[in-house]
Amino acid sequence: AQKITQTQPGMFVQEKEAVTLDCTYDTSDPSYGLFWYKQPSSGEMIFLIYQGSYDQQNATEGRYSLNFQKARKSANLVISASQLGDSAMYFCAMREGLGGSNYKLTFGKGTLLTVNP
Amino acid sequence: NAGVMQNPRHLVRRRGQEARLRCSPVKGHSHVYWYRQLPEEGLKFMVYLQKENIIDESGMPKERFSAEFPKEGPSILRIQQVVRGDSAAYFCASSPAGQGYQPQHFGDGTRLSIL
Repeated sequence: AQKITQTQPGMFVQEKEAVTLDCTYDTSDPSYGLFWYKQPSSGEMIFLIYQGSYDQQNATEGRYSLNFQKARKSANLVISASQLGDSAMYFCAMREGLGGSNYKLTFGKGTLLTVNP
Repeated sequence: NAGVMQNPRHLVRRRGQEARLRCSPVKGHSHVYWYRQLPEEGLKFMVYLQKENIIDESGMPKERFSAEFPKEGPSILRIQQVVRGDSAAYFCASSPAGQGYQPQHFGDGTRLSIL
């Protein structure tokens, strides 16, 4: 089974509107972290936001927020007030076993976001 | 630039040649990770190293691929006798020791093309 599922291969949004990018995950480990990365067309990977499994509140970083629904195993990224520069590929990733020695990230296949003027 | 530095940015090799990819982590980071991204795919974990030690190489092909992170100098991902299927973007990431909640900081990647 896929550990990280991003069901939206592509999304379109109008400039200045909000958009939600979906991510569901699968793990039996009670301790895990969820990360979102942005990959513009230039190719670099940019860290956006982190949510830990024990965090009581949803993470926020500027225009980015994470809608964390633990029971549903979903960690959707919300981008408010979209800008043209937000057009990029967005990846959801998970690290299981935060307290242990497993540091690797498992990535979803990504969602290509296009912001229209 | 204090971020993760990868070089070269682009690398072209003919089948059968060797490819060496270099990664200098963020200053002070002792953990290095290598990931591979095939076209239209997410990143796939290859190997996790600390200084002079391979911690987890479960994602690395058993043959032709090797990685090191020496006491001095950058981490190296080495691919011997490259084949067309090795064409991909290879990303290096680093993080500080200890805390799993720390995000991994990625370099800009090396795009490897096999002719």
